[in-house]
This record gives sequence, C-alpha cells and structure tokens, in this order.
Amino acid sequence: QSALTQPASVSGSPGQSITISCTGTGSDVGSYNLVSWFQQHPGKAPKLLIYEVTKRPSGVSNRFSGSKSGNTASLTISGLQAEDEGHYYCCSYVRDSIPVRFGGGTNLSVL
Amino acid sequence: QLQLQESGPGLVKPSETLSLTCSVSGGSISDNVYYWDWIRQSPGKGLEWVASIYYSGNTYYSPSLKSRGSISVDTSKNQFSLKLTSVTAADTAVYYCAKRWAPSAGNFIDFWGQGTLVTVTS
Repeated sequence: QSALTQPASVSGSPGQSITISCTGTGSDVGSYNLVSWFQQHPGKAPKLLIYEVTKRPSGVSNRFSGSKSGNTASLTISGLQAEDEGHYYCCSYVRDSIPVRFGGGTNLSVL
Repeated sequence: QLQLQESGPGLVKPSETLSLTCSVSGGSISDNVYYWDWIRQSPGKGLEWVASIYYSGNTYYSPSLKSRGSISVDTSKNQFSLKLTSVTAADTAVYYCAKRWAPSAGNFIDFWGQGTLVTVTS
C-alpha cells in the first residue's frame, strides 16, 4: 500500500500562514470525509489536530484548520508560532480491511 | 481520562517473535464504538499502521506484514496484544498502541500510548 503524499518539508515565519497538502486517490481521500491530521514533536506520541476533514478536537487551537478538494486534503496553520515546529501527518480511511493510511509526513520549520 | 500503556521486550533477535501488550485504563476495551490499533514508526521515519482489532475479535492487518502479524484482545484484562513473527531489522521501530473511533463515528485516533522502542538485533 502506498502512503498518502505530503511535501517533505514546509517553512514559514512567525505570524504567517502555511498549508500542508495530503494527496491520495479516489479510493481513499477522495472517497471519504475521514481524513485526520496529527502533530508530532520529537520523542512524543502524535497529537490529533483535525478529524473528519474539518473538525477540531476540544483543546486544539483554532489556528489549525482542515479542508479537502477532490483527492487532496489540506491542513492550514495560521499565525505560525515557534511551538508549531514539528512533523505533521495526514491519515485517511481506505476500506474496512485498511482502515488507516498515513501520509509520509511533513517537517514544519518556523524560521 | 483514557490511558494506554505498551509493554514488552525492547530487544528481539532476528527471526524471533516480537510480542507487545497494550493495557487500557480509564475506559473499556469492549466499548463498541472503538477499534484498537498498533502503529509503528521506524527511526527517523513516518507513521505506519500495523494492525487493528475490535473488541469482538475482528482483526485487520497491514498487507506489508505479509501474514507475520497476529493481534488479539483480552477483554477480561482490558488489554490487546501484537505478535510479529520472523522479525528483521526492518521491524525495528517505536510501536504505539492507540484507540480509534469506528469508521461510522469518524475513524480518527484520539488516544495514543507513549510508545515503546523495539530493536531487532542479534
């Protein structure tokens, strides 16, 4: 199975906005609104940021937002802060026998 | 607050079997809206879904395991476990256990264990 496609790295300055894309196929991202996003800091478990494409769990900053168009989902982080540095992963449902497919991950640098 | 804790050997010899257990506290593994996952992350690499189980015993495996994986659940102990046979260096990774909402409820992982590093080495 192939991972969803994410850019290896993105960068931005404090206060700016950045968008991370997650490209799948018509069999995963394009077929279901079951895309989630995670943030991971070194040595830590991933943290859920977005689920069902656009929903934010309680406690997650509203600077994080999600969207989807066709086979590509996107995570936008507005008002970049130094603490946003880390790796970001998208995740999509595929089918019952493959309920989880991750993206390759994106390393965000806040310059 | 739900908590998940992985346990198992940190070192496994090549060709042997990796065995991990995830203990769930603060919630019931038998809740019918959740699935229970194993996810791994090789050093410096991305996340990889390994296997999932439902409390009833339905199991799902990543095709990349090539039939080497076995996931099981013990509802009496509120635990689920992973066995991976014939391990190689490629199985060296941090293994996370996680709780995932059923696809009908959003299919998202909202709780993770802290992760446990398993190194395959002779």
